Formats: sequence, C-alpha cells, structure tokens
Amino acid sequence: EVQLVESGGGLVHPGGSLRLSCTASGFTFSGYGMHWVRQAPGKGLEWVSCIGPGGSTIYYADSVKGRFAISRDDAKNSLYLQMNSLRAEDTAVYYCARSRQVDVWGQGTTVTVSS
Amino acid sequence: DIVMTQTPLSSPVTLGQPASISCRSSQSLVHSDGNTYLSWLQQRPGQPPRLLIYKISNRFSGVPDRFSGSGAGTDFTLKISRVEAEDVGVYYCMQGTQFPLTFGGGTKVEIK
Repeated sequence: EVQLVESGGGLVHPGGSLRLSCTASGFTFSGYGMHWVRQAPGKGLEWVSCIGPGGSTIYYADSVKGRFAISRDDAKNSLYLQMNSLRAEDTAVYYCARSRQVDVWGQGTTVTVSS
Repeated sequence: DIVMTQTPLSSPVTLGQPASISCRSSQSLVHSDGNTYLSWLQQRPGQPPRLLIYKISNRFSGVPDRFSGSGAGTDFTLKISRVEAEDVGVYYCMQGTQFPLTFGGGTKVEIK
C-alpha cells in the first residue's frame, strides 16, 4: 500500500525550531519529487516547499524562505522539513504529498507556535 | 505567482443532483512540456486532502466516475454528476505548472 506518514509536530514557542519527518512506503521514494503543504486552522491549503528526485531542485514559498529547509534521505525513504524561527502564523497541519500531481497525501502532523 | 480563483464559495446541493465548481487561473497553466498541471482535490471533514483529478481531466485511481474534469488554458471545471452524501467536503483546484504551486480558496459542497 502506498503510504506517507508524517511525524514531529508539536507545541513550540515563537522563535523556536522543529523538524518534521515524512516516511514513505509502498513505492520507489527516490523516483519522486515531494512536497510539504500546510493548512492553518479553518483555512485553505498553502504549498510550503518541494524537493526534486535526488534533491536536485528545491523550492520554497516566500513565507518560509530563509527559515525552513527541506531535505530527503532516499536510503530511509524519508522527507524532512527543518523549521526555524517559527512564528504564530506557522501554526498549521503540515502534510507531505507526492509528485507534481500531489497524488498521495499523508494524514498530517500538527504544529502549534504559541507562547 | 499564479492566482487560482474558485467559484462558488459554497454549493448546497440536493442528493442525486449535479454540482459544478469553476476554477480560473491568472495565467495559462500549459507547461513547457505540453501538459497542463491542473488538479482537483477533495477534503472531507477531518480528513487530509485526496486527489480526484489530475492534468485537467484524468481521474485518479479509485475515484468514482461521477467526478469529471474539463477545461483548458485558464478555465477549468469539476463536475459531480449525481452528488452522494460522501461527497460532502471542500474541493480545491491546484496548479502544478509553475512554482510556487498554488491552490484555489476552496468550494464547500454541502447537502441541502
């Protein structure tokens, strides 16, 4: 079964850091570009970042550029999002998703930034 | 950035009746590779998003054939031929042609 499972969310103070993980199974992870997409409480979907197969290309939304870093470890079938200098407006459910078509989504992990 | 505009914001529908959602992009979604990366996603209450349609009109695996997508260039439509109770939720269009990827604001489908 094709599956993505996110982890690493939690409560963090403004200015703090958090590292999210997304573990893939059921498909050849190394062959796909991967995305992080977030959804603030009661709001719509916002694309955050993308990394291409092999990590060759990386893109960020302007709202997280310079604060977040996406990476992948194909040997571990894992995608990561290092989030630094967190702000209240980063509070959201963070999803990982596969490919340009976003055809597979995880269940999400919740990040709450609050003092 | 490409802006995706969905209408209507809300669509109350009678069970068994059709529903239609429109999505307009601020610029053409035709990629240099010739594909148009326009997807439709469904998000049921309390659930993650789920892909319904990709590249305008291709139904993803397991998606019922009452869902169909159409359009070209900058104007796209998702149609549900006969709404069922399980179709309640928010529907998003999304463009994957140009970074940053962008989503429409969402259309809430509810039963009258």
